[in-house]
Amino acid sequence: QVQLQESGPGLVKPSETLSLTCTVSGYSISSGYYWGWIRQPPGKGLEWIGSIYHSGSTYYNPSLKSRVTISVDTSKNQFSLKLSSVTAADTAVYYCARDNYFDYWGQGTLVTVSS
Amino acid sequence: QAVVTQEPSLTVSPGGTVTLTCGSSTGAVTSGHYPYWFQQKPGQAPRTLIYDTSNKHSWTPARFSGSLLGGKAALTLSGAQPEDEAEYYCLLSYSGAYVFGTGTKVTVL
Repeated sequence: QVQLQESGPGLVKPSETLSLTCTVSGYSISSGYYWGWIRQPPGKGLEWIGSIYHSGSTYYNPSLKSRVTISVDTSKNQFSLKLSSVTAADTAVYYCARDNYFDYWGQGTLVTVSS
Repeated sequence: QAVVTQEPSLTVSPGGTVTLTCGSSTGAVTSGHYPYWFQQKPGQAPRTLIYDTSNKHSWTPARFSGSLLGGKAALTLSGAQPEDEAEYYCLLSYSGAYVFGTGTKVTVL
């Protein structure tokens, strides 16, 4: 069974870089599919952040592209998100998911941006 | 970036039928947008119901169906159950990048 698990700091200071990792089990990232990040501010809707293929090919949300980097480590079966210059508006539950079918999701992790 | 619009809220009676729609600011929604539909209940991660316009996952109840309707993507719930009360989001693909819809709160009452 495919499982995804987000990990990373739950609190980030304004202007710093948010870093999260998604660990995939039950499926090898190298076997295919795009793997992505989605976020949801408290009480608000979903926002797609971006996705990556095992080869390193990426797609990003144009509104976040200047601040987002998604990378993959196939040896660890993980992919990661970095979001720079964060503000309070980046406070959200961050989910990782298997793109293409969006059939498998992590449970989500709340990241709060605050000093 | 495209804006994807959904009805803010809809109410359906138990056993009734309701159709949610998903429109794009760039024009008609087509199969090339590979429409997805998600259900999200409070405190839970979203769960995909429909992908690629009308395809269901193994866990998708038969009462949910997806289609294209009048230039929009549509999700029809036939025979609503109390457990279908949730927020529903559509998702459209724009040449590899995705945009979520604004979400529809469905009340079963």
